[in-house]
Amino acid sequence: EPEVTQTPSHQVTQMGQEVILRCVPISNHLYFYWYRQILGQKVEFLVSFYNNEISEKSEIFDDQFSVERPDGSNFTLKIRSTKLEDSAMYFCASSATGKSNQPQHFGDGTRLSIL
Amino acid sequence: GQQVMQIPQYQHVQEGEDFTTYCNSSTTLSNIQWYKQRPGGHPVFLIQLVKSGEVKKQKRLTFQFGEAKKNSSLHITATQTTDVGTYFCAGPSGSGWGKLIFGQGTTLQVKP
Repeated sequence: EPEVTQTPSHQVTQMGQEVILRCVPISNHLYFYWYRQILGQKVEFLVSFYNNEISEKSEIFDDQFSVERPDGSNFTLKIRSTKLEDSAMYFCASSATGKSNQPQHFGDGTRLSIL
Repeated sequence: GQQVMQIPQYQHVQEGEDFTTYCNSSTTLSNIQWYKQRPGGHPVFLIQLVKSGEVKKQKRLTFQFGEAKKNSSLHITATQTTDVGTYFCAGPSGSGWGKLIFGQGTTLQVKP
């Protein structure tokens, strides 16, 4: 079964540094998402992306965050100047369409640790 | 803003006992999705409910969508150790796009 893949699985970074989290969505999917999950808490929406544009973003997704689809397969989340509170598991997800009744397929996540 | 709440937060059961988690939304939902996250894993889509009062079954799992489309439940009959994990309900944000609002999840522990 097709999978969403994410790299790296774990990223340790000094506070203030930039990080880029990478995702390869399922190949025929058109909508891409980033979610984050602080340890022991619920999954929180960050941003959705379609046709090389942000469709929707949450209040968490402030100016330090950006997303990009640099080529036909990768989907990246960049955090420009990391803060301690950015430590979380970041999940990429994709769906075939952007309709609200589409299941989303999640990757294994990147655990981001800010020191 | 729109909120999705789940209870209980944790549930410990003996293997063979039943388990239920309840989900409530602050707004009427067009549909509700359920995901399971194994310890250390990622959310995995289980099912979607769309119609008012809908009931769907997957083997020992029974999912229900309330008449008002604001609440839902997941019931597991005769739990097994493989059922261990966190069960999340998630509803669409209402924007029309795919943004999901997740509940806090119910973490199920099953004692063999």
